[in-house]
Amino acid sequence: QVRLVQSGAELKKPGASVKLSCKASGYTFTSNGLHWLRQAPGHWPEWMGWISPGNGKTEYSEKFQDKVTITSDTSANIGYMEVSRLRSEDTAVYYCARGVGPTRALIWFDSWGQGALVTVSS
Amino acid sequence: EIVLTQSPATLSVSPGERVTLSCRASQSISTNLAWYQQKPGQAPRVLIYGAYTRATGIPARFSASGSGTEFTLTISGLQSEDFAVYYCQQYNNWPPITFGQGTRLEIK
Repeated sequence: QVRLVQSGAELKKPGASVKLSCKASGYTFTSNGLHWLRQAPGHWPEWMGWISPGNGKTEYSEKFQDKVTITSDTSANIGYMEVSRLRSEDTAVYYCARGVGPTRALIWFDSWGQGALVTVSS
Repeated sequence: EIVLTQSPATLSVSPGERVTLSCRASQSISTNLAWYQQKPGQAPRVLIYGAYTRATGIPARFSASGSGTEFTLTISGLQSEDFAVYYCQQYNNWPPITFGQGTRLEIK
């Protein structure tokens, strides 16, 4: 079955960066987009960006354009997201999710990682 | 950016009841809407996509309808495991993909 396993919780100081990973299994990694979302405490999910592992194309929410870098390693079926210049407002659970749908443009998320809590505190 | 507004924010109901949750889009999104259920400490789980199609393994007590800007999710015969937070998500016009602020379903 499809499985997304994320790296563990992180504690970072303001101004630092964090790189999260998401290992995919149970499907052909290059066949679906891999998306990253975050959810602050008591908040709704917020979409940050995605990568098409098949061709390396990325797209970001304008809000995170200068803060996030998404990459993938197709030899290991792992996706990565680096978040830079961390602030306390970046404290959240970060998720990776597989995009599915009838076309590349029409997608929802059928499988999610377990989430990784990133805490930003001095 | 398409804004999704869910109502009500919280719904207090008893097991066995039928409830309807609403999601309104700031502009037409056709039927490009998904619904998710999220329980504490868990990732969201997709219930519905394409506005009304149940995802694999989702019980028939979950139904949904709508198109354009108005959407509803109905749960018939609420069971204890259904008490959770429900989000709608649009994928008609992105980036960014956007979610509603959620409706919390709590036990009365």
